[in-house]
Amino acid sequence: GENVEQHPSTLSVQEGDSAVIKCTYSDSASNYFPWYKQELGKRPQLIIDIRSNVGEKKDQRIAVTLNKTAKHFSLHITETQPEDSAVYFCAAINDYKLSFGAGTTVTVRA
Amino acid sequence: NAGVMQNPRHLVRRRGQEARLRCSPMKGHSHVYWYRQLPEEGLKFMVYLQKENIIDESGMPKERFSAEFPKEGPSILRIQQVVRGDSAAYFCASSPPAAASTDTQYFGPGTRLTVL
Repeated sequence: GENVEQHPSTLSVQEGDSAVIKCTYSDSASNYFPWYKQELGKRPQLIIDIRSNVGEKKDQRIAVTLNKTAKHFSLHITETQPEDSAVYFCAAINDYKLSFGAGTTVTVRA
Repeated sequence: NAGVMQNPRHLVRRRGQEARLRCSPMKGHSHVYWYRQLPEEGLKFMVYLQKENIIDESGMPKERFSAEFPKEGPSILRIQQVVRGDSAAYFCASSPPAAASTDTQYFGPGTRLTVL
């Protein structure tokens, strides 16, 4: 099955700085890569996704890049704000099963 | 357009009791997935259902756990004879009746099960 690894497990950044989270996956058949943000006690919220036929996608302060050859994808958050503090999960879909990374706890210091 | 609904939001059971978790998918969605999240961990796939069909239950423990998605009504995740290790957040997600392998899954608010 698919194995998704996510780094780092915790990330502390100064407000206004950028945050980068990296994930690798094992199954070359995976073709859809969503990112979810989860605040304490809340549901995972989709923040951005990328499909395997695209190398990069951007939505305001959030961007995701995908390198299919190396089997890794990354989330970039620019100009971080306190409300960006949450746990972020990367995921990969292989045959409808979402395989999640272990999560990155992002803390934005004011 | 209401999102994915789950109830109850919190459920407390004593060891040996049964837990029933319900999930109503988004309107127009016919694919339902259940995931389990242990404290400070990522979500783990349990089961994938379509109306009246279990498509993949490879992530679900073989004993005590069962799931259904009847023709009418919500999807049900049932845990019999609960043990303390079943304490977790159980999330349901749904996606539309298209190619499920590349369709976005939208999550419900989860049911937090506590086994005393």
